[in-house]
Amino acid sequence: NAGVTQTPKFQVLKTGQSMTLQCAQDMNHNSMYWYRQDPGMGLRLIYYSASEGTTDKGEVPNGYNVSRLNKREFSLRLESAAPSQTSVYFCASREPHLGTKLFFGSGTQLSVL
Amino acid sequence: GQQLNQSPQSMFIQEGEDVSMNCTSSSIFNTWLWYKQDPGEGPVLLIALYKAGELTSNGRLTAQFGITRKDSFLNISASIPSDVGIYFCAVPYGQNFVFGPGTRLSVLP
Repeated sequence: NAGVTQTPKFQVLKTGQSMTLQCAQDMNHNSMYWYRQDPGMGLRLIYYSASEGTTDKGEVPNGYNVSRLNKREFSLRLESAAPSQTSVYFCASREPHLGTKLFFGSGTQLSVL
Repeated sequence: GQQLNQSPQSMFIQEGEDVSMNCTSSSIFNTWLWYKQDPGEGPVLLIALYKAGELTSNGRLTAQFGITRKDSFLNISASIPSDVGIYFCAVPYGQNFVFGPGTRLSVLP
């Protein structure tokens, strides 16, 4: 059982480049999330999707877009990367019916030069 | 918005020692979660607490849901090198979760 799978694991971009972080879960969960983790800042929510076809902004959405392609997949896109977006990004999915448990992927370490 | 505070921020302990950390909030929550993040990995759920006063164990880990419902505690007994990592508390909050800033644990051999 793979759980939550994120790709790529590492990425280096130049300022202004674009890229998409991919996330897929095989637990049939409705809700999926994108977080960024910065030193001393904890986990901050970028966007979330409560169900297929819906997305909502979190705490730090500026500079990002998301797509909930289907129930399994939730991608995060940086249209024009900035050094301030250097961070570790985590995708997560939540057990059904607003369950209490959140399952994380292994993360993407992104550096923007 | 909602905020969780964790203490200590970091700790260095000798292998074999016991560890205590806590998480506090100014608001009441009905569920408390404890996650561990190994270096280079995503957080993994360790323990979930659902009732005030509840004490739950998972191997050498024991967590307690505070009576006031504004805090929670995590204890690790007889620490080993693989306990190294960041420990986060979290609470469900509507569609989202609120996370504490984490306690970074280092275990010295």
